[in-house]
Amino acid sequence: GQQLNQSPQSMFIQEGEDVSMNCTSSSIFNTWLWYKQEPGEGPVLLIALYKAGELTSNGRLTAQFGITRKDSFLNISASIPSDVGIYFCAGQDNNNNDMRFGAGTRLTVKP
Amino acid sequence: GAVVSQHPSRVICKSGTSVKIECRSLDFQATTMFWYRQFPKQSLMLMATSNEGSKATYEQGVEKDKFLINHASLTLSTLTVTSAHPEDSSFYICSAARQGLPYGYTFGSGTRLTVV
Repeated sequence: GQQLNQSPQSMFIQEGEDVSMNCTSSSIFNTWLWYKQEPGEGPVLLIALYKAGELTSNGRLTAQFGITRKDSFLNISASIPSDVGIYFCAGQDNNNNDMRFGAGTRLTVKP
Repeated sequence: GAVVSQHPSRVICKSGTSVKIECRSLDFQATTMFWYRQFPKQSLMLMATSNEGSKATYEQGVEKDKFLINHASLTLSTLTVTSAHPEDSSFYICSAARQGLPYGYTFGSGTRLTVV
């Protein structure tokens, strides 16, 4: 099946620093999504990307859909303590109508 | 819009008993819902796809007789863990697919199952 490789696995940063994480896939996806999950909660959608090359921002978050359709990155600028959580990338093959997740990036922000 | 309610949020049950988890789409109709399982510090693993009015599609390695899924209406899917064992203890999360853009799914808040 489709495999997503997400990196880094974890990050420990100082408040105010920028963050970058990415996902690569062994196969093509039609949609890339980025979610944030806080402890004991379900994932919440941050950004959805629908076409290759697309660059989308949501506040301090910016994500891009790679040209090859096999990768995506998420950047967080000027991190704050409430950015703490686990960030998951997800790829969706619209033909199959299911979604596969990366392993997650656990972000810790030190005040 | 696109709210998914999952209940209960936490449940503790004895080994051998069954537990039912509900997933409801509150403000939209969901012909397809998904059930995931998440172990501590790990990603979400798709268990099954729940289709309204038809049988669920299970991922390889997921026992359909143990994890019963019923999607009887366009707003409700249930996951029943039958004859629960301690190794079934996990965080179970549902999501619902809303038709049309934006793609991507809305997740419930999850259910922490502990089997003792």
